[in-house]
Amino acid sequence: GDSVTQTEGLVTLTEGLPVMLNCTYQTIYSNPFLFWYVHYLNESPRLLLKSSTDNKRTEHQGFHATLHKSSSSFHLQKSSAQLSDSALYYCALSDTGNYKYVFGAGTRLKVIA
Amino acid sequence: EAAVTQSPRNKVAVTGGKVTLSCNQTNNHNNMYWYRQDTGHGLRLIHYSYGAGSTEKGDIPDGYKASRPSQENFSLILELATPSQTSVYFCASGGGWDQDTQYFGPGTRLLVL
Repeated sequence: GDSVTQTEGLVTLTEGLPVMLNCTYQTIYSNPFLFWYVHYLNESPRLLLKSSTDNKRTEHQGFHATLHKSSSSFHLQKSSAQLSDSALYYCALSDTGNYKYVFGAGTRLKVIA
Repeated sequence: EAAVTQSPRNKVAVTGGKVTLSCNQTNNHNNMYWYRQDTGHGLRLIHYSYGAGSTEKGDIPDGYKASRPSQENFSLILELATPSQTSVYFCASGGGWDQDTQYFGPGTRLLVL
């Protein structure tokens, strides 16, 4: 079946350093949709960014990701981590038009001063 | 802004008891989803619905039932609660103008003793 694999567990970064959270996927869908959701403590998970276009960079709130179908990857990046970026990040996969997600296990990002 | 609410926000139940978690959305979205969130597993889909009167099994439906009596409401029912169902449960809706995006509620923390 379909699956999403993320950087495991906890990633601790010093403020100002670059962020890279890995996401790879396996799917039978020919046109997958990839998402990053962010879950801040005591809030609801919400969409950070999404893409279904191969090799096109998508950006939002300082984060960016590029879907690479050749390597089945959709890594999340940011040039400079901020304390406020500390949260749980989920990568998710769906088939275009299906609207049913498969989520990865989540990566907790902790940014320290 | 999408609005998804859940009740109760916290629940303590006894093993073997019946638990009903409720979800309401005011976005007129066709699709609604129930997930549970567990460390190491991320968000896993329990049941979902494409409209009033319909329910579909997700990836981990065993021990859960769902009910969608109206466009706005989607319930998750644990007929015989077990300690393994202790978790945080999230409801989400989607299928609006940005059809592939899901909007999450605040979550319900369930403890089964």
